[in-house]
Amino acid sequence: DAGITQSPRYKITETGRQVTLMCHQTWSHSYMFWYRQDLGHGLRLIYYSAAADITDKGEVPDGYVVSRSKTENFPLTLESATRSQTSVYFCASSESEQGSPLHFGNGTRLTVT
Amino acid sequence: DQQVKQNSPSLSVQEGRISILNCDYTNSMFDYFLWYKKYPAEGPTFLISISSIKDKNEDGRFTVFLNKSAKHLSLHIVPSQPGDSAVYFCAVLSNFGNEKLTFGTGTRLTIIP
Repeated sequence: DAGITQSPRYKITETGRQVTLMCHQTWSHSYMFWYRQDLGHGLRLIYYSAAADITDKGEVPDGYVVSRSKTENFPLTLESATRSQTSVYFCASSESEQGSPLHFGNGTRLTVT
Repeated sequence: DQQVKQNSPSLSVQEGRISILNCDYTNSMFDYFLWYKKYPAEGPTFLISISSIKDKNEDGRFTVFLNKSAKHLSLHIVPSQPGDSAVYFCAVLSNFGNEKLTFGTGTRLTIIP
């Protein structure tokens, strides 16, 4: 089925470990995004990508790395997880036309112990 | 400094009545204004949007109003239904592209049967 899927849905990891969150979309949307949702902060943009091999920082990029070798995939890596990175992470995609709505995945709940 | 504020963290409304969710923004350069709805354990879904050249946009039970002079956005739901119980995020977009979408902190709407 067409859509945007995130994996895993839930992840528990220890401080200092590297962890990668996966995101795959089947629409061939140009734009892809990673957001984190935290109480009192709403959704904050971590990184985004306008096309394959083009990525840029959002509002809260520190401690995260992204890549986009293929249009449909946009993995997010926490190089050395910290407790402050405990959050719910949402991947989204959109068409390139300005104002096009974002389509979100169902999220990954990450707990760093 | 939050550019988008939803000052009511929660709102309870009787079924059948009107629900009014509010959002204030600080930057007059914002060009598009969107509302997203989020159920627990799911990603946000696009609800309705309005561009800065309009002051009202209607879609079924949902109407968004934009007051540019007051930098204020509101979402009206009438009549409210139990399925409308969710967290609602307003989001604003500058005229520099989709990468500049900024979300508010959300309002949890509860419809009382």
